Amino acid sequence: DVKVTQSSRYLVKRTGEKVFLECVQDMDHENMFWYRQDPGLGLRLIYFSYDVKMKEKGDIPEGYSVSREKKERFSLILESASTNQTSMYLCASSHRTSGIPDTQYFGPGTRLTVL
Amino acid sequence: KQEVTQIPAALSVPEGENLVLNCSFTDSAIYNLQWFRQDPGKGLTSLLLIQSSQREQTSGRLNASLDKSSGRSTLYIAASQPGDSATYLCAALEYGNKLVFGAGTILRVKS
Repeated sequence: DVKVTQSSRYLVKRTGEKVFLECVQDMDHENMFWYRQDPGLGLRLIYFSYDVKMKEKGDIPEGYSVSREKKERFSLILESASTNQTSMYLCASSHRTSGIPDTQYFGPGTRLTVL
Repeated sequence: KQEVTQIPAALSVPEGENLVLNCSFTDSAIYNLQWFRQDPGKGLTSLLLIQSSQREQTSGRLNASLDKSSGRSTLYIAASQPGDSATYLCAALEYGNKLVFGAGTILRVKS
Protein backbone atom coordinates (compact mmCIF):
# COMPACT_ATOMS: atom_id res chain seq x y z
CA ASP A 1 0.00 0.00 0.00
CA VAL A 2 1.10 3.50 -0.82
CA LYS A 3 1.78 5.52 2.26
CA VAL A 4 1.98 9.29 2.38
CA THR A 5 2.76 10.71 5.79
CA GLN A 6 2.70 14.27 7.03
CA SER A 7 4.76 15.44 9.97
CA SER A 8 1.92 16.83 12.08
CA ARG A 9 -1.86 16.37 12.25
CA TYR A 10 -2.41 19.62 14.12
CA LEU A 11 -0.19 22.69 14.33
CA VAL A 12 -0.67 26.06 16.03
CA LYS A 13 1.67 28.91 15.13
CA ARG A 14 1.84 32.64 15.70
CA THR A 15 1.71 35.32 13.02
CA GLY A 16 5.14 35.95 11.54
CA GLU A 17 6.60 32.56 12.44
CA LYS A 18 8.36 30.43 9.82
CA VAL A 19 6.47 27.17 9.43
CA PHE A 20 7.65 23.90 7.89
CA LEU A 21 5.22 21.21 6.80
CA GLU A 22 6.85 17.93 5.87
CA CYS A 23 5.54 15.19 3.60
CA VAL A 24 7.11 11.80 2.95
CA GLN A 25 5.99 9.07 0.53
CA ASP A 26 7.33 5.53 0.42
CA MET A 27 6.42 4.43 -3.12
CA ASP A 28 9.20 6.06 -5.14
CA HIS A 29 6.68 8.39 -6.80
CA GLU A 30 8.04 11.04 -9.11
CA ASN A 31 5.30 13.60 -8.51
CA MET A 32 4.44 15.33 -5.26
CA PHE A 33 1.86 18.01 -4.53
CA TRP A 34 0.78 20.43 -1.82
CA TYR A 35 -2.84 21.56 -1.56
CA ARG A 36 -4.80 23.60 0.89
CA GLN A 37 -8.45 22.89 1.60
CA ASP A 38 -10.90 25.53 2.83
CA PRO A 39 -14.67 25.32 3.32
CA GLY A 40 -16.51 26.45 0.22
CA LEU A 41 -13.29 26.70 -1.83
CA GLY A 42 -12.38 23.04 -2.12
CA LEU A 43 -8.80 21.89 -2.70
CA ARG A 44 -6.44 24.35 -4.32
CA LEU A 45 -2.98 23.50 -5.60
CA ILE A 46 -0.15 25.47 -3.99
CA TYR A 47 2.98 23.89 -5.50
CA PHE A 48 3.98 20.65 -7.16
CA SER A 49 7.15 18.85 -8.11
CA TYR A 50 7.90 16.36 -10.88
CA ASP A 51 11.39 15.50 -9.74
CA VAL A 52 14.07 16.17 -7.16
CA LYS A 53 15.02 19.84 -6.93
CA MET A 54 12.24 20.70 -9.36
CA LYS A 55 9.16 22.75 -8.46
CA GLU A 56 6.25 24.36 -10.24
CA LYS A 57 3.78 26.95 -8.97
CA GLY A 58 0.20 25.91 -8.62
CA ASP A 59 -2.81 28.18 -8.45
CA ILE A 60 -2.09 29.90 -5.13
CA PRO A 61 1.71 29.97 -4.50
CA GLU A 62 1.83 33.41 -2.88
CA GLY A 63 3.19 33.29 0.65
CA TYR A 64 4.57 29.75 0.24
CA SER A 65 7.74 28.10 -0.94
CA VAL A 66 8.73 24.44 -1.27
CA SER A 67 11.78 22.24 -1.14
CA ARG A 68 12.44 18.82 -2.63
CA GLU A 69 15.97 17.70 -1.87
CA LYS A 70 15.13 13.99 -1.90
CA LYS A 71 12.66 12.10 -4.05
CA GLU A 72 10.57 10.88 -1.12
CA ARG A 73 10.29 14.19 0.72
CA PHE A 74 8.47 17.40 -0.21
CA SER A 75 8.40 20.29 2.21
CA LEU A 76 6.05 23.27 2.27
CA ILE A 77 7.39 26.44 3.86
CA LEU A 78 5.45 29.42 5.11
CA GLU A 79 8.13 32.11 5.34
CA SER A 80 6.06 34.39 7.59
CA ALA A 81 2.78 32.82 8.64
CA SER A 82 -0.36 34.93 8.46
CA THR A 83 -3.87 34.32 9.79
CA ASN A 84 -5.23 33.82 6.27
CA GLN A 85 -3.01 30.77 5.97
CA THR A 86 -5.04 28.96 8.61
CA SER A 87 -6.25 25.92 6.71
CA MET A 88 -6.04 22.17 6.18
CA TYR A 89 -2.91 21.30 4.19
CA LEU A 90 -2.84 18.09 2.18
CA CYS A 91 0.14 16.46 0.55
CA ALA A 92 -0.18 13.97 -2.31
CA SER A 93 2.06 11.91 -4.53
CA SER A 94 1.65 10.02 -7.79
CA HIS A 95 3.55 7.89 -10.23
CA ARG A 96 4.13 9.10 -13.76
CA THR A 97 3.33 6.60 -16.53
CA SER A 98 4.33 7.61 -20.06
CA GLY A 99 4.46 11.20 -18.92
CA ILE A 100 0.89 11.21 -17.57
CA PRO A 101 0.37 11.30 -13.80
CA ASP A 102 -1.53 8.39 -12.27
CA THR A 103 -3.99 8.71 -9.45
CA GLN A 104 -2.82 10.81 -6.55
CA TYR A 105 -2.42 9.33 -3.06
CA PHE A 106 -3.06 11.70 -0.22
CA GLY A 107 -1.65 12.06 3.27
CA PRO A 108 -3.89 12.53 6.32
CA GLY A 109 -3.56 16.31 6.28
CA THR A 110 -2.18 18.94 8.66
CA ARG A 111 -4.63 21.36 10.22
CA LEU A 112 -2.67 24.58 10.70
CA THR A 113 -3.97 27.40 12.85
CA VAL A 114 -2.17 30.75 12.76
CA LEU A 115 -2.98 33.02 15.69
CA LYS B 1 -9.54 27.97 -16.91
CA GLN B 2 -10.95 24.59 -15.88
CA GLU B 3 -13.82 24.75 -13.42
CA VAL B 4 -15.34 21.69 -11.77
CA THR B 5 -18.80 21.83 -10.21
CA GLN B 6 -20.52 19.24 -8.07
CA ILE B 7 -24.24 18.94 -7.49
CA PRO B 8 -25.80 18.57 -4.98
CA ALA B 9 -23.64 20.18 -2.31
CA ALA B 10 -25.21 17.91 0.31
CA LEU B 11 -27.42 14.86 0.23
CA SER B 12 -29.18 12.89 2.96
CA VAL B 13 -30.73 9.51 2.12
CA PRO B 14 -32.07 6.51 4.04
CA GLU B 15 -29.99 3.35 4.08
CA GLY B 16 -30.47 1.09 1.07
CA GLU B 17 -31.20 3.79 -1.49
CA ASN B 18 -29.38 4.02 -4.79
CA LEU B 19 -28.01 7.49 -5.41
CA VAL B 20 -26.23 9.59 -8.01
CA LEU B 21 -23.66 12.32 -7.48
CA ASN B 22 -23.01 14.72 -10.32
CA CYS B 23 -19.85 16.41 -11.51
CA SER B 24 -19.43 18.81 -14.43
CA PHE B 25 -16.30 20.35 -15.92
CA THR B 26 -15.91 23.24 -18.34
CA ASP B 27 -12.91 22.13 -20.43
CA SER B 28 -13.06 18.71 -22.10
CA ALA B 29 -9.28 18.65 -22.62
CA ILE B 30 -8.60 16.28 -19.75
CA TYR B 31 -6.52 13.12 -19.29
CA ASN B 32 -8.88 11.57 -16.77
CA LEU B 33 -11.59 12.17 -14.21
CA GLN B 34 -11.21 10.90 -10.67
CA TRP B 35 -13.57 10.40 -7.76
CA PHE B 36 -12.31 10.60 -4.18
CA ARG B 37 -13.82 10.07 -0.78
CA GLN B 38 -12.92 12.16 2.26
CA ASP B 39 -13.92 11.36 5.83
CA PRO B 40 -14.10 14.25 8.33
CA GLY B 41 -10.67 15.56 9.26
CA LYS B 42 -8.91 13.02 7.05
CA GLY B 43 -7.10 12.91 3.75
CA LEU B 44 -8.58 11.79 0.42
CA THR B 45 -9.01 8.19 -0.70
CA SER B 46 -9.13 7.45 -4.41
CA LEU B 47 -12.30 5.59 -5.44
CA LEU B 48 -12.34 5.45 -9.22
CA LEU B 49 -10.32 6.85 -12.10
CA ILE B 50 -11.80 7.08 -15.61
CA GLN B 51 -9.37 7.70 -18.45
CA SER B 52 -10.55 10.15 -21.11
CA SER B 53 -10.94 7.29 -23.60
CA GLN B 54 -13.21 5.33 -21.25
CA ARG B 55 -16.91 5.67 -20.58
CA GLU B 56 -17.18 4.13 -17.13
CA GLN B 57 -15.43 2.33 -14.30
CA THR B 58 -16.87 0.07 -11.62
CA SER B 59 -15.67 -0.97 -8.19
CA GLY B 60 -18.03 -2.94 -5.99
CA ARG B 61 -21.15 -0.87 -5.38
CA LEU B 62 -19.65 2.15 -7.12
CA ASN B 63 -19.96 3.01 -10.78
CA ALA B 64 -18.58 6.16 -12.36
CA SER B 65 -19.35 7.34 -15.87
CA LEU B 66 -17.71 9.97 -18.04
CA ASP B 67 -19.12 11.95 -20.96
CA LYS B 68 -16.31 14.21 -22.15
CA SER B 69 -18.33 15.85 -24.90
CA SER B 70 -20.91 17.15 -22.46
CA GLY B 71 -18.40 17.75 -19.66
CA ARG B 72 -20.13 15.48 -17.17
CA SER B 73 -19.37 12.61 -14.84
CA THR B 74 -21.63 10.78 -12.43
CA LEU B 75 -20.89 8.57 -9.45
CA TYR B 76 -23.55 5.97 -8.80
CA ILE B 77 -23.68 4.32 -5.38
CA ALA B 78 -25.87 1.24 -5.12
CA ALA B 79 -27.58 0.10 -1.92
CA SER B 80 -26.13 2.88 0.21
CA GLN B 81 -24.91 2.13 3.74
CA PRO B 82 -24.21 4.37 6.75
CA GLY B 83 -20.51 3.69 6.20
CA ASP B 84 -20.78 5.49 2.87
CA SER B 85 -21.33 8.77 4.72
CA ALA B 86 -18.48 11.08 3.71
CA THR B 87 -17.63 13.90 1.33
CA TYR B 88 -17.21 12.84 -2.28
CA LEU B 89 -14.94 14.87 -4.52
CA CYS B 90 -14.45 14.70 -8.24
CA ALA B 91 -11.34 16.03 -9.94
CA ALA B 92 -10.32 16.52 -13.57
CA LEU B 93 -6.71 16.01 -14.62
CA GLU B 94 -6.11 18.66 -17.25
CA TYR B 95 -3.46 18.67 -19.96
CA GLY B 96 -1.24 20.88 -17.81
CA ASN B 97 -1.02 17.84 -15.49
CA LYS B 98 -2.88 19.64 -12.74
CA LEU B 99 -5.79 18.11 -10.87
CA VAL B 100 -8.74 20.51 -10.55
CA PHE B 101 -11.20 19.63 -7.80
CA GLY B 102 -14.87 20.29 -7.30
CA ALA B 103 -16.09 21.54 -3.93
CA GLY B 104 -17.55 18.15 -3.06
CA THR B 105 -20.87 16.55 -2.14
CA ILE B 106 -21.47 15.81 1.54
CA LEU B 107 -23.35 12.52 1.77
CA ARG B 108 -25.19 11.30 4.84
CA VAL B 109 -26.76 7.86 4.82
CA LYS B 110 -29.22 7.40 7.68
CA SER B 111 -29.72 4.01 9.30
